[in-house]
Amino acid sequence: GENVEQHPSTLSVQEGDSAVIKCTYSDSASNYFPWYKQELGKRPQLIIDIRSNVGEKKDQRIAVTLNKTAKHFSLHITETQPEDSAVYFCAASNRGGADGLTFGKGTHLIIQP
Amino acid sequence: EPEVTQTPSHQVTQMGQEVILRCVPISNHLYFYWYRQILGQKVEFLVSFYNNEISEKSEIFDDQFSVERPDGSNFTLKIRSTKLEDSAMYFCASSPTTHGYTFGSGTRLTVV
Repeated sequence: GENVEQHPSTLSVQEGDSAVIKCTYSDSASNYFPWYKQELGKRPQLIIDIRSNVGEKKDQRIAVTLNKTAKHFSLHITETQPEDSAVYFCAASNRGGADGLTFGKGTHLIIQP
Repeated sequence: EPEVTQTPSHQVTQMGQEVILRCVPISNHLYFYWYRQILGQKVEFLVSFYNNEISEKSEIFDDQFSVERPDGSNFTLKIRSTKLEDSAMYFCASSPTTHGYTFGSGTRLTVV
């Protein structure tokens, strides 16, 4: 089955700086890669997703890049703000998410004021 | 914004008891899912449901688990005989296609 590795487990950045979280996946058939933000005690919320037919997608301060050959994808957050502090999970799936998403272990992003 | 609703928010049960976790997916969504998250760990897939049948299930989803969509709105997860290790946050999710899940706010299950 699919295995998703996520690094780092904790990331501390100064407010206004950029943050990058990286994930690798094992199943070359995976074609859907969402990112979720989870605040303490709350539900995971989809912040951005990318399908395997594109290499990059951007939404305001958030971007995701995908390298299918290397089987890795990354989340980039620019101009970080205190409200970006949360745990971020990457995930991967084939057949979209219909067969279920395999999540990484999460990155605790801390924005230092 | 439409939401996935889960009840109860917290359930405490004795080991060996049956529990039913309830979810009301977003009304025009076609795909339904259950995930769980043990405290401090990653989210884990349990089961997906489409067209009134299970589409896929993980190794976690053994014979103790079952899902049902008893009417047009509710989607339930039943655990027949709970174990201590079933203690976790259980999230329901739904999506209009195979992409773009919306998660519910979760049910915290504590087995004592």
